[in-house]
Amino acid sequence: DQQVKQNSPSLSVQEGRISILNCDYTNSMFDYFLWYKKYPAEGPTFLISISSIKDKNEDGRFTVFLNKSAKHLSLHIVPSQPGDSAVYFCAASERDDKIIFGKGTRLHILP
Amino acid sequence: DVKVTQSSRYLVKRTGEKVFLECVQDMDHENMFWYRQDPGLGLRLIYFSYDVKMKEKGDIPEGYSVSREKKERFSLILESASTNQTSMYLCASRVGGTGGGGQFFGPGTRLTVL
Repeated sequence: DQQVKQNSPSLSVQEGRISILNCDYTNSMFDYFLWYKKYPAEGPTFLISISSIKDKNEDGRFTVFLNKSAKHLSLHIVPSQPGDSAVYFCAASERDDKIIFGKGTRLHILP
Repeated sequence: DVKVTQSSRYLVKRTGEKVFLECVQDMDHENMFWYRQDPGLGLRLIYFSYDVKMKEKGDIPEGYSVSREKKERFSLILESASTNQTSMYLCASRVGGTGGGGQFFGPGTRLTVL
């Protein structure tokens, strides 16, 4: 039973526009959420995180929004750049130690 | 420069062989993880460890075991490799008990079981 869901396998966005990646979760005990970026043949790289006590966290071009009532979070990338083309994973932890990932969304930034 | 290293980038083994995948981190992290990545399935947690000699099962522990005798090293063991264990294996580490901060991942080991 999938606890972290990324329902869009892929997304294409024009360079310079906003990319919005979505993630839903089912476990209301999750207290921490993370986003990772992965290039082919490399391990994932941590991007940004948010605690369940917040609804927004921003780091440069990346902003994560959390809607606890809807069990939904999203990652916004503004403006999108060619180097942002990668697979993005949403992840969540129920306590400090165990981290569960979604299936990922492949983002294509179009020139 | 912080690092998580995995013993092999590519590995080919035969069905029934015992396979050891080694992971070492140099950041003095308490938590270490083993995931496998398969097309369309994302990263699935096999085992994790929150301290030396401590381990917990993830979502897909069947067919795997782990060992953590030293803080910096976390080994994944396939007792008798099978073809359905052909996958990309990713090791990660993280500061424990903080509730924050992401994991640092190694480059992955692509294992093929023939």
